[in-house]
Amino acid sequence: NAGVTQTPKFQVLKTGQSMTLQCAQDMNHEYMSWYRQDPGMGLRLIHYSVGAGITDQGEVPNGYNVSRSTTEDFPLRLLSAAPSQTSVYFCASSRTASLGYTDTEAFFGQGTRLTVV
Amino acid sequence: AQTVTQSQPEMSVQEAETVTLSCTYDTSESDYYLFWYKQPPSRQMILVIRQEAYKQQNATENRFSVNFQKAAKSFSLKISDSQLGDAAMYFCAYRSAGGAQKLVFGQGTRLTINP
Repeated sequence: NAGVTQTPKFQVLKTGQSMTLQCAQDMNHEYMSWYRQDPGMGLRLIHYSVGAGITDQGEVPNGYNVSRSTTEDFPLRLLSAAPSQTSVYFCASSRTASLGYTDTEAFFGQGTRLTVV
Repeated sequence: AQTVTQSQPEMSVQEAETVTLSCTYDTSESDYYLFWYKQPPSRQMILVIRQEAYKQQNATENRFSVNFQKAAKSFSLKISDSQLGDAAMYFCAYRSAGGAQKLVFGQGTRLTINP
């Protein structure tokens, strides 16, 4: 059972370059999201999706783009990398939360450490 | 918008002792879920325990238990018989049961276990 697969684990970019972080889950979860983790700030939501074809912005969406063409995949695109985007990125998936459900926790990928120079 | 606050950036405890990590949250909702996640040096996010707001009984998972005070909007994590493997960053998180259902995290508490 693979869970959430996130690639790559490490990446170094030059300012202005673009790249895509890949995320795939095999749990048939409706809900997927991207976070960035910076020291002292916890995990902050970048974008999220409640199902195929539906995405929305989180707390820190600027400079990032997402799409959700299938239930399984939710890639994150950096359009023009900036040093301020140096961070650790996590993809997560979960079932849609509804009152009475108990298994509403998010499952996380292993993270991507991105450095923009 | 919901917010989660962890006021202890760092905590330390002697091996085999008990430690409590604090978490408070702000919400106007009545139905929601609360979680504690552990992040060891491997960077992997691991679920420690979860609590449904509609349940009055505090959740427990082996050596881990929570003190959920809904009226006070407090959700602390108690780790009993601390072990070296408990050393990690711990994050408190909130998720709405309706609406956008975003998962909101606190700033984290780094827990050190002293042998």
